[in-house]
Amino acid sequence: EPEVTQTPSHQVTQMGQEVILRCVPISNHLYFYWYRQILGQKVEFLVSFYNNEISEKSEIFDDQFSVERPDGSNFTLKIRSTKLEDSAMYFCASKDRGGNTEAFFGQGTRLTVV
Amino acid sequence: GENVEQHPSTLSVQEGDSAVIKCTYSDSASNYFPWYKQELGKGPQLIIDIRSNVGEKKDQRIAVTLNKTAKHFSLHITETQPEDSAVYFCAASYSSASKIIFGSGTRLSIRP
Repeated sequence: EPEVTQTPSHQVTQMGQEVILRCVPISNHLYFYWYRQILGQKVEFLVSFYNNEISEKSEIFDDQFSVERPDGSNFTLKIRSTKLEDSAMYFCASKDRGGNTEAFFGQGTRLTVV
Repeated sequence: GENVEQHPSTLSVQEGDSAVIKCTYSDSASNYFPWYKQELGKGPQLIIDIRSNVGEKKDQRIAVTLNKTAKHFSLHITETQPEDSAVYFCAASYSSASKIIFGSGTRLSIRP
């Protein structure tokens, strides 16, 4: 069964460092998303990406964040200068089409900023 | 902005009994309501969804109901089993939007 894969599963980084979280969406999907979940809290939308550009972003997704689809398979989230409050589980998701269709989530990357 | 409220935050039921989780949403434009199950160390997985043109949908032991007037929707799990233990999230979206708005989650525990 096709699935969204994320690497690494756990990333520890020092405050102020840059991190790149990687995702490989399902191969024929066209819509890509990043969400985050701070420990014990709800899953929050960060950004959506379609046709090589950002479709929508939340207030959380400030100038420290960026996304990229560098090739036909990877979708990355970069945090330029990490803060302690960026510690969370980051989930990538993808959909094959827009509208009310199922979003498939990866298993997540746990980011710990120390 | 859009908001989804979910209750209860924790729920413990005896194996074989039913579990009900309730959600409300704020954006009247919402027309798609997925439910996700999240097991420990994994990402959310869709278990059932309902669209606003339908009041109820059932899939084996799982059913969802939607009251558009009241902006309420609920998840019903019957004949609960140990493998139903997980965190369940309700969510809302609308067709022209990119994002899904999640509820705060319900930790469901099934007592043997």
